[in-house]
Amino acid sequence: QSVLTQPPSVSAAPGQRVTISCSGSSSNIENNYVSWYQHLPGTAPKLLIYENNKRPSGIPDRFSGSKSGTSATLGITGLQTGDEADYYCGTWDSSLSAVVFGGGTKLTVL
Amino acid sequence: QLQLQESGPGLVKPSETLSLTCTVSGGSIDTNTNFWGWVRQPPGKGLEWIGSIYYTGTASYNPSLRSRVTITVDTSDNHFSLRLSSVTAADTAIYFCARDSYSLARGPFDNWGQGTLVTVSS
Repeated sequence: QSVLTQPPSVSAAPGQRVTISCSGSSSNIENNYVSWYQHLPGTAPKLLIYENNKRPSGIPDRFSGSKSGTSATLGITGLQTGDEADYYCGTWDSSLSAVVFGGGTKLTVL
Repeated sequence: QLQLQESGPGLVKPSETLSLTCTVSGGSIDTNTNFWGWVRQPPGKGLEWIGSIYYTGTASYNPSLRSRVTITVDTSDNHFSLRLSSVTAADTAIYFCARDSYSLARGPFDNWGQGTLVTVSS
């Protein structure tokens, strides 16, 4: 059971927009920065979003992040087949004194 | 370009100690701007942070694993290592090493290795 809750899967057609939610609590998301990762099995995970809504160099602006209260959201526009991957949210949990992640969301581009 | 590579046995017996090394290339581990961490992913499950270490040797561990985990750093050889004792089947996972973006051991992780599968079985 992950500390942060994500939907197990989402899907959308190429070119469409999709959002992935990440739900937590006051001890994690509400009072700490949220990051998002993309992971294709067998490869190194990639940081997509940090500090809630910032993109590292090289990450296209099709990827965006937002946070409100105890929830965060990853948005992906202009979906491409290459976006099919598992997506994870992560943050610091002040009560647990640990980095925590969501259970992951599998994105299917139909 | 920074690269991280995990290495170590892919099979460990129950009750024994899992040992992995992360070799860093393309950059120095001897930096005051980053921690270096371990994250694992059990089969079919999400990511779990194990712990992180600073180049001075200061380490931060996940409380759920603290009693069994030791992370060390070797700045002369530019690598850091993980030891997890008294392993059980529940420790079977893909183990990733990663660079923490900041010097707080709180994430996020901006560079990752590809991961190595460790299976605990007799």
